[in-house]
Parts: sequence; structure tokens; C-alpha cells
Amino acid sequence: DQQVKQNSPSLSVQEGRISILNCDYTNSMFDYFLWYKKYPAEGPTFLISISSIKDKNEDGRFTVFLNKSAKHLSLHIVPSQPGDSAVYFCAASARDGGSNYKLTFGKGTLLTVNP
Amino acid sequence: DAMVIQNPRYQVTQFGKPVTLSCSQTLNHNVMYWYQQKSSQAPKLLFHYYDKDFNNEADTPDNFQSRRPNTSFCFLDIRSPGLGDAAMYLCATYGQGALDTQYFGPGTRLTVL
Repeated sequence: DQQVKQNSPSLSVQEGRISILNCDYTNSMFDYFLWYKKYPAEGPTFLISISSIKDKNEDGRFTVFLNKSAKHLSLHIVPSQPGDSAVYFCAASARDGGSNYKLTFGKGTLLTVNP
Repeated sequence: DAMVIQNPRYQVTQFGKPVTLSCSQTLNHNVMYWYQQKSSQAPKLLFHYYDKDFNNEADTPDNFQSRRPNTSFCFLDIRSPGLGDAAMYLCATYGQGALDTQYFGPGTRLTVL
């Protein structure tokens, strides 16, 4: 039973345009969400996160939006660059005031940014 | 300045032949995890150590064992690898710091012949 779902295995966008990666979750106990980026032959690296008390968090070209009622979050990359081509994992944590000690991951979305 | 190091990066073993994967960290984090990731699948947590306390996930097969002799090192032992155990094995760490996140190593790609 997948608690974190990334329904698009892949996404292709043109350089300079917006990339939107989506993630849905089913566990209402999740209260913190993270995005990781993974290049081939490397481990996932943390990209950006959002707490459930917020609906938006921005860091440079990366913005994560959270819709708690829909149990949906999305990662926006604007403008997209070829170096953004990677697999993006959505992860969720039931912190309950604690920490991101235990994460549940989605299957990932392969983003390809074409020059 | 690698923080989570996994050796080897690629491992080939034979069906049924025991294999050990290793992970070391320079972050001095108290939690270390082992994940299994198969192609196009989510990383699946096998077990983790909180300091010396071992925590096994309920659905992790008995074929998988782990050892953590000290804070810096953690090993994944696969006692009798089957073809279905071929995967990427990711080690990760967690500890209090500026970023409340897990830090991953580059992974070991295991092939079972």
C-alpha cells in the first residue's frame, strides 16, 4: 500500500520553461514533506521541504506547494535548466513535533530538461 | 569531503553466496539506515540503527542482517542472495543538525548471477 505516490514516472520539459512534479499522499499523519534529487550513480540529496503548517516554501528556482485538504504537493522549478535533469523523490514524515527520523518515499519522477 | 561513503559501488555475487556491503559516515550521526531500491521503485527501508539499537522493518526478510560496530560504520549482510535481491542498496544517516533530513550515500549496485 503506497502511502506516497508519484504517478508520473517521467516528465520532459524545455529549458527555460516550468517543471511541475506532483506527489500525493494517503496518510493523514504525515506533517512534513521533502523533495530529494538523485543523479545517476549518486545517492539522493535533499532539495527542499515544507511543513504542514505552511502551504508554500520557496528556495531560489524551486518552490513546493502543499494542499493539505487534497493531500497533494507539487514541486515547481522555474526556469528549468538542463542540469535539473534527474530523478526527483517525494518523501513524507510523521514528525508529530519530532524529527524527520523516519521517511516514506515515492517511486520518483525522472525529469528531463531539453536544451 | 564525502559524508556517507559506500563500498563497493558495484558488487557482483553468485546465487546463494554471502555478501557484505559497507557504509561509513563522517557526520557523527547517531542514526544509520539501509534502504533497498529496485528499478523504478521507491527506496524501501530494510532496517536502521538508532545508536546501538537495531530496528528491523516488519517485512524485511531474515536473509538480510546488519551490524554496526561503532558510530561510523554499518554493514549489510545478505546471507544467501537470491536473484530477487539484485538492487541498489542505499545507506543513509540522520542526526541533529542545520538540516532536518537524511543524508544518503551513493549506493551499492548489487548484481546476483
